[in-house]
Amino acid sequence: DTAVSQTPKYLVTQMGNDKSIKCEQNLGHDTMYWYKQDSKKFLKIMFSYNNKELIINETVPNRFSPKSPDKAHLNLHINSLELGDSAVYFCASSLQGAGEQYFGPGTRLTVT
Amino acid sequence: KQEVTQIPAALSVPEGENLVLNCSFTDSAIYNLQWFRQDPGKGLTSLLLIQSSQREQTSGRLNASLDKSSGRSTLYIAASQPGDSATYLCAVTSSGYSTLTFGKGTMLLVSP
Repeated sequence: DTAVSQTPKYLVTQMGNDKSIKCEQNLGHDTMYWYKQDSKKFLKIMFSYNNKELIINETVPNRFSPKSPDKAHLNLHINSLELGDSAVYFCASSLQGAGEQYFGPGTRLTVT
Repeated sequence: KQEVTQIPAALSVPEGENLVLNCSFTDSAIYNLQWFRQDPGKGLTSLLLIQSSQREQTSGRLNASLDKSSGRSTLYIAASQPGDSATYLCAVTSSGYSTLTFGKGTMLLVSP
């Protein structure tokens, strides 16, 4: 069974469009995250949610809006996509924050 | 602000060699440190988690040490194999936060 899953795996879209990435974990964790890996492979935190509540927003543009309908899901919606949004987006989860984090397979977003 | 540095950026060794990957962090107030492996085009696989109160963790041929006071961790890989070829990432969870701060990784190539 997949622990942390993301859909879609690949996403190609044009500038200005709106898109969503979904994340689900079946580990029973209460904290979920979105990370961005840029073209230089550097990973950086975007958001952290604990029990469906936003805990951390690391200076991410307002065009990015995470939503957590329940503890097992954390979706990422991106409005008005820009070329610079092209990256791999990783979802992760942990138990009680600061615990071992488990990562999803990533979603490669390409904005043309 | 926590910063994580990994040295070397790339490493190439023949099969069978023992090797050490280095990680340093600027703020010693951490909850834990995680070592990950990332294969090309893939997600992150957690290798080892060391809590701040621990000195080392072992899993198979991998041994990770932590010296919190000096802000350093090492990942020791014994008897390297071609299947160990990947990028190895070090990440820390700083006290007061639940998110990971990543280094830029060490790209390891083990040749047969």
